[in-house]
Amino acid sequence: QSVLTQPPSASGTPGQRVTISCSGSSSNIGSTFVYWYQQLPGTAPKLLISRNNQRPSGVPDRFSGSKSGTSASLAISGLRSEDEADYYCAAWDDSLSVAVFGGGTQLTVL
Amino acid sequence: QVQLVQSGAAVKKPGASVKVSCKASGYTFTSHYIHWVRQTPGQGFEWMGIINPDGGNTHYAQKFQGRVTMTRDTSTTTLYMELSSLRSDDTALYYCTRGYSGNADFDYWGQGILVTVSS
Repeated sequence: QSVLTQPPSASGTPGQRVTISCSGSSSNIGSTFVYWYQQLPGTAPKLLISRNNQRPSGVPDRFSGSKSGTSASLAISGLRSEDEADYYCAAWDDSLSVAVFGGGTQLTVL
Repeated sequence: QVQLVQSGAAVKKPGASVKVSCKASGYTFTSHYIHWVRQTPGQGFEWMGIINPDGGNTHYAQKFQGRVTMTRDTSTTTLYMELSSLRSDDTALYYCTRGYSGNADFDYWGQGILVTVSS
């Protein structure tokens, strides 16, 4: 039921590169910035990627974001065990006048 | 350092109201908007609304219009979110988060408060 669509799960082995997709529409991703959040178990979300591809201070450069049209992606390179978490994309929806989120992708490091 | 500290965890009966607080510190209180977002296992994250601490203007998601009230107290740098006519599907973790108007850029989050609605 989420406005933005993400795969429910993703996995990789240590050192691998993993990508997580986020699909939206012209009223959200297609017209505004995309943000990515990391949520470790039992904690509040943490801003991981701002304005499509900007890393806030302290976020390792292993994390990168991109956007094309009405879709966005989060890439994690050099996968580490501590990257095991839930990842959410978010954007403002100009038609609904609300922030909208993806349903989240649970990343497992095998 | 920027902190948003929440309180107000509660177990409420259907039809009751709950008021959650969010104490802001470590930055100029009126310089950033505060959004309220909730998280449920079934619905994921839902954006509820936004308040401008500088003046108190609010904008609520249509889904919560008429049931939610967001306020602030500048003397204590505390924000409040009150939700009325509670239903079982309002059971969720409620977060306050700092951001801006018109985007989903939430740079600091409260720890989250669990509100359980049960008869």
